[in-house]
Amino acid sequence: QVQLVESGGGVVQPGGSLRLSCAASGFNFDTWGMNWVRQAPGKGLEWVAFIRSNGTNERYADSVRGRLTISRDNSKDTLYLQMNNLRAEDTAVYYCTKEPHLDCWGQGTLVTVSS
Amino acid sequence: DIVMTQTPLSLSVTPGQPASISCKSSLSLLHPNGNTFLYWYVQKSGQSPQLLIYEVSSRFSGVPDRFSGSGSGTDFTLKISRVEAEDVGVYYCMEGTYFPYTFGQGTKLEIK
Repeated sequence: QVQLVESGGGVVQPGGSLRLSCAASGFNFDTWGMNWVRQAPGKGLEWVAFIRSNGTNERYADSVRGRLTISRDNSKDTLYLQMNNLRAEDTAVYYCTKEPHLDCWGQGTLVTVSS
Repeated sequence: DIVMTQTPLSLSVTPGQPASISCKSSLSLLHPNGNTFLYWYVQKSGQSPQLLIYEVSSRFSGVPDRFSGSGSGTDFTLKISRVEAEDVGVYYCMEGTYFPYTFGQGTKLEIK
């Protein structure tokens, strides 16, 4: 069945970096666009970034543009989120989710930005 | 950016009774290709969000038929015909017509 498994979360100091990964299985990964969506503790959902199936046409939320970079390796069925210059407000559970319709979500990985 | 406004923000329903959630967008969600990319998700306690309805009114695989979506342009509604205990959770609408995709604030459904 379709499965998305995120990893790479953890505690990082403000200004630090982290790379999240999302391993996909059960579907043709190179066919579908992918997204990252985050959820701060006790808050609602916030879309973060999108990447087309062929790795082009990246799109970002204004709050992360220039600091977070979405990418993918279709040979490894894996989606990434490189997170640089992290801020306290980036603290959240990060979910990867597939197109179309954001119809499948991973279990999420927690990123905590704190000194 | 599109603003998605959900009402109510919380809902307490007796099992077997209907429930309705409204979602209004600040701009028409009708895409030039003729589709309207309005979605509904539910997040149950401790779980990841899951898709209920896509493109306004299409139920996702495995979603019970007591869930239905309707609307057009800027006004959309999710209806549960007869609420069950398992429907407890937070319901979100989301627009996928324009980047950045935008979620509503969420509506918390509780059982009386």
